Amino acid sequence: GAGVSQSPRYKVAKRGQDVALRCDPISGHVSLFWYQQALGQGPEFLTYFQNEAQLDKSGLPSDRFFAERPEGSVSTLKIQRTQQEDSAVYLCASSLVAGGRTFFGQGTRLTVV
Amino acid sequence: DAKTTQPNSMESNEEEPVHLPCNHSTISGTDYIHWYRQLPSQGPEYVIHGLTSNVNNRMASLAIAEDRKSSTLILHRATLRDAAVYYCILRDVNFNKFYFGSGTKLNVKP
Repeated sequence: GAGVSQSPRYKVAKRGQDVALRCDPISGHVSLFWYQQALGQGPEFLTYFQNEAQLDKSGLPSDRFFAERPEGSVSTLKIQRTQQEDSAVYLCASSLVAGGRTFFGQGTRLTVV
Repeated sequence: DAKTTQPNSMESNEEEPVHLPCNHSTISGTDYIHWYRQLPSQGPEYVIHGLTSNVNNRMASLAIAEDRKSSTLILHRATLRDAAVYYCILRDVNFNKFYFGSGTKLNVKP
């Protein structure tokens, strides 16, 4: 596709439910990032992949958060036993090379009720 | 993590120049200065970046102070489509992740 694609665009989950958010990066992009953006705040880094390797997961807020990119393209961010504080927009971004210009998707808005 | 300081909000008239300031007094020698903007309900969009010298592209200009402790994003003629939150971000050349602050919300009046 022409840009970074994320699905679903909106997700409502009941507290305690597991969710999976999908990111399709730009074809051929090596680097992939996940960010979390709370209402009215700037995005905060969650995790970073180079191809299929997860090189940095220092931003994941708890062990309920898990990300994978098994074939070095599509990535999934999974949140187990969702809590209300997980409500946010989850942004995926990719770049052709490490340190290169970064392109962001439109995000998935997660609301936990 | 080097931090940036930006005004919370600014206002501009359409078709006038806008100067968006950013302070980054703790910048290190390997930090690039990036600017991204985020329109409502969209992901951040690249605007411009630089290291030491001033930079120009079709979207904007970036003026970097000689001591690199501050920079200014210049939109030469603001349009209504430029209304967005503008983030000034420092990115270490050895790392990939961005540290976003709260940004400056730019309002453009017709």
